[in-house]
Parts: sequence; C-alpha cells; structure tokens
Amino acid sequence: GAVVSQHPSRVICKSGTSVKIECRSLDFQATTMFWYRQFPKQSLMLMATSNEGSKATYEQGVEKDKFLINHASLTLSTLTVTSAHPEDSSFYICSASGGLASDEQFFGPGTRLTVL
Amino acid sequence: GNSVTQMEGPVTLSEEAFLTINCTYTATGYPSLFWYVQYPGEGLQLLLKATKADDKGSNKGFEATYRKETTSFHLEKGSVQVSDSAVYFCALTGPRAGNNRKLIWGLGTSLAVNP
Repeated sequence: GAVVSQHPSRVICKSGTSVKIECRSLDFQATTMFWYRQFPKQSLMLMATSNEGSKATYEQGVEKDKFLINHASLTLSTLTVTSAHPEDSSFYICSASGGLASDEQFFGPGTRLTVL
Repeated sequence: GNSVTQMEGPVTLSEEAFLTINCTYTATGYPSLFWYVQYPGEGLQLLLKATKADDKGSNKGFEATYRKETTSFHLEKGSVQVSDSAVYFCALTGPRAGNNRKLIWGLGTSLAVNP
C-alpha cells in the first residue's frame, strides 16, 4: 500500500514556541491531505483538509491562525502549531489521498506533541 | 449529514473467541465503508473496505458486509488472536473535500485479546 511518513514522531516544546510537523507521501501523489487530532480516549477529530496548491479548509472550532497548514507540493504537507500551550498537547495524525476517485486515506504514524 | 455509531469498548476476549464489533451508519447517497485498525504505538491502517451494498470486505480473517437494508457494517472474526489487540475504527465517506472525500469516523473500539 501507499506509504505516508510523519516527522517528528515525538516533540517536546516549551509553552509559547511553535512546532512544525511534516507529512510526506512517499510513493504517490497526494492531492488531498487531512490533519487529525487524536484524543486520549481514541476519538479522531478532523482538524482540516488541504488540497495541493490551495488554502486549507478548517473544521468548525479549529483556529486557522493557530494551526497553520501548508500543502505546497503533491508529496508534502506541514502543520505548524503556533504559540503552543499545554492544552495543545496531543497526538496529531496526517493522512493522504491520491487521485480523483480515491476515497481511501493512507495514514502517517502520528506525532506526539507535548507542550510543557 | 453522514454519521457512524460504533459499539463502545473496551472489548476483552480470550484467544480463539468469536469477535463482533457493531457499526451502524446514517448517510445520504451511497458511501464507501471502511474499517481501520490502530495497533499499539502505531498509525492507523486500512483493515478492509466495501464500496457498494452487499459487498463483503475481508482481510486477515476479518470480514464485514455492507448491509444497506440495516445500514450496518459489522466487523467479525471467527477466532481472534492476541496479536489482534488494537483499536478498531469504523468509517464512511462523507462530503467531498476538494479532490477527495472526508471520512466520517466512529469513536473506536478497543479490543484486548488474552492468551
């Protein structure tokens, strides 16, 4: 199957700093990438959808100025958590879809963010 | 809008027991249905999928049948193993998001299989 990588896998930062998470599709062109946040009791929350070359579409309640998403190429999307606070500590997961008819999403391994 | 209701866990079984994890959905149109699995410490992986009514998805001994009349996509396995311990997510395709569709997710069901 298609492979999606995420970097870093874990990051610890101080409150007030910004953190960038990269999501790469390694062997296919991802026309759409999705960013999720997974809460401790398992539920996945879709944060935003990004289509290559256009602005991300954010879900209701997600602050676009806090969670900056860039999808500059068909293989790379980045999520930047700006001015991170302890409540932003979470597991962030990206997924990628490729092709006009593909409904399947391929997931990265996730990034554990801890804000001190 | 589309939604997924998944049975709550955790589910604890002994090895070789029969597994059923219920999933029902509401949807307009004809969504595709998925089961994803998340093993401890790993990312989500597609376990199986079905794209139209009466399709049966199967993989690794797991099966699920797309039942439009009951709007269900229950996950089953005849004999579970310790290595099946994971969190299982039911999902269906939702609104189009640019070139592709969003997935609508269930809350996940944690399965623990004891030796």
